[in-house]
Amino acid sequence: KAGVTQTPRYLIKTRGQQVTLSCSPISGHRSVSWYQQTPGQGLQFLFEYFSETQRNKGNFPGRFSGRQFSNSRSEMNVSTLELGDSALYLCASSKPEEKLFFGSGTQLSVL
Amino acid sequence: ELKVEQNPLFLSMQEGKNYTIYCNYSTTSDRLYWYRQDPGKSLESLFVLLSNGAVKQEGRLMASLDTKARLSTLHITAAVHDLSATYFCAVGVPFFNTGTASKLTFGTGTRLQVTL
Repeated sequence: KAGVTQTPRYLIKTRGQQVTLSCSPISGHRSVSWYQQTPGQGLQFLFEYFSETQRNKGNFPGRFSGRQFSNSRSEMNVSTLELGDSALYLCASSKPEEKLFFGSGTQLSVL
Repeated sequence: ELKVEQNPLFLSMQEGKNYTIYCNYSTTSDRLYWYRQDPGKSLESLFVLLSNGAVKQEGRLMASLDTKARLSTLHITAAVHDLSATYFCAVGVPFFNTGTASKLTFGTGTRLQVTL
């Protein structure tokens, strides 16, 4: 079956712009979570959605937001981009009590 | 705040040798995950450990969990070059009463290099 699909794969933006990343979970998975990976900070939890509701949120500024649609697809938005937002953004989906399956990620570069 | 520490951060080992990666975490949890990441790639799930004393094995890798010691280990037996990658442990924080680990706190990762 198809895995977690993230689009786009690569993105280049400039400071001050905003960006929207998309994630399509594995069919049947209702939980979608987002992580940021950087060389300096490692893997950090952004937020998690289940049935269109944000259940958990990490320690990121309000510029980072997300949402989930009724078909479980999720989007993540970052407004007013900063250089430090350059990272690999990973989306993961899962069923309850099961492991997370990660997508290939979106590599965001902020210039 | 939950902290997850892995050691070593970098491991260079020869093919055929055995070694163990350690993962310590700071608060009570019975959900421990191990992932593998190849350069430029995403995370691949290796093991999910859900109870004290859990042991899982897949090929040359074996993971165990001691919730009382807040310690998980990933043991590599007779390493081969294909195992070269970065290995992460992650601790799951259940969301209230659902039992679902909705948030993972990752360790810093152990970069494993297996040389011929």
